[in-house]
Amino acid sequence: GAVVSQHPSWVICKSGTSVKIECRSLDFQATTMFWYRQFPKQSLMLMATSNEGSKATYEQGVEKDKFLINHASLTLSTLTVTSAHPEDSSFYICSATPPDRGHEQYFGPGTRLTVT
Amino acid sequence: RKEVEQDPGPFNVPEGATVAFNCTYSNSASQSFFWYRQDCRKEPKLLMSVYSSGNEDGRFTAQLNRASQYISLLIRDSKLSDSATYLCVVNKEYGAGSYQLTFGKGTKLSVIP
Repeated sequence: GAVVSQHPSWVICKSGTSVKIECRSLDFQATTMFWYRQFPKQSLMLMATSNEGSKATYEQGVEKDKFLINHASLTLSTLTVTSAHPEDSSFYICSATPPDRGHEQYFGPGTRLTVT
Repeated sequence: RKEVEQDPGPFNVPEGATVAFNCTYSNSASQSFFWYRQDCRKEPKLLMSVYSSGNEDGRFTAQLNRASQYISLLIRDSKLSDSATYLCVVNKEYGAGSYQLTFGKGTKLSVIP
């Protein structure tokens, strides 16, 4: 149990375009989902915390208008990178937390974004 | 001071060796502690939780010292398949029943035949 999927697994886009990444909890309902970003040889950095039915909470330094998060259902959260630039190229990973196990996070396989 | 600090390595060890990783954390309010393993270009996977009493899972032993805010991981009889980056992770509660993970940069281990 506790499987999280992400789609796409990798994407290449041109500078200035927008990219949407989906995160789904496949066998449980996730009241909270987290979005992380990892640059090469760096740690996972939390970008935002997404709660179903409410606005996401962004970490300091993360532009909420650039990284749009929608958590419209208990099994789906989306991250849209708007007007992507090469410096947005990174590994984006989501995780999900079951409602009765708030201290556990289950990670998706990640999405590798390359902006050319 | 970074919230979670680890020696980045790399640690290059021969098969069968014993290797130890250390980690320190700065937030004394941290409540739970983990070691994750991350393979290249993959998501992190939970290796084990860390308890003050120390805990062991096969060849892996984890230890927590709350007074020193220090966490360790010991791997005995290293296998080639242990080659990965090991992430020290702390968890703290930021709201009622809501938790947040903070990751260290990871320590890279290469086990050499």
